[in-house]
Amino acid sequence: EAQVTQNPRYLITVTGKKLTVTCSQNMNHEYMSWYRQDPGLGLRQIYYSMNVEVTDKGDVPEGYKVSRKEKRNFPLILESPSPNQTSLYFCASRLTGTFQPQHFGDGTRLSIL
Amino acid sequence: QQQVKQSPQSLIVQKGGISIINCAYENTAFDYFPWYQQFPGKGPALLIAIRPDVSEKKEGRFTISFNKSAKQFSLHIMDSQPGDSATYFCAASKGGGTSYGKLTFGQGTILTVHP
Repeated sequence: EAQVTQNPRYLITVTGKKLTVTCSQNMNHEYMSWYRQDPGLGLRQIYYSMNVEVTDKGDVPEGYKVSRKEKRNFPLILESPSPNQTSLYFCASRLTGTFQPQHFGDGTRLSIL
Repeated sequence: QQQVKQSPQSLIVQKGGISIINCAYENTAFDYFPWYQQFPGKGPALLIAIRPDVSEKKEGRFTISFNKSAKQFSLHIMDSQPGDSATYFCAASKGGGTSYGKLTFGQGTILTVHP
């Protein structure tokens, strides 16, 4: 089954404790991205990657890191999480080319205390 | 700044009624306008999309109306069903949604369809 898989689905942690949210897709998509969803703000892009070893900032990159060492994986790293990073996070992937739909994972709900 | 503004924030409709969600955009370079549907505990999924060379696109009970001069587009759900209850996001992109044209999302609308 074609899918984007995120782990963990839920995480409660404390300020300053480094964490990684993993994202993996099995559709051989070149393009992957991370979004955060907050009430009243919709989805905002954090980082994106057009292919292996090619990443760039989205609209809200502060406090986040990413890497793309393999085509299928695109982890999101919070090196020193803070309470304002409490949010619902989504990973997405798609083929490059015009009008290709984005496929989203089922989300990771992160609470930073 | 919010480049895509979506309204209403929430909408309650009776079964069989018409649901209408509106979006307005600012960037005239946008040329791809998808709508995403999100159920609780799930990620958004593409519902329907339109390009500005047409004024309307229909897929089943879902229709996008597009007004280029007003920089507005809307989603109409005909014969709304309880199973349509979800959060809906409009989005916009330039470059046809290619890798160099990221999606900018609206704020979302929570639709509730009462039986």
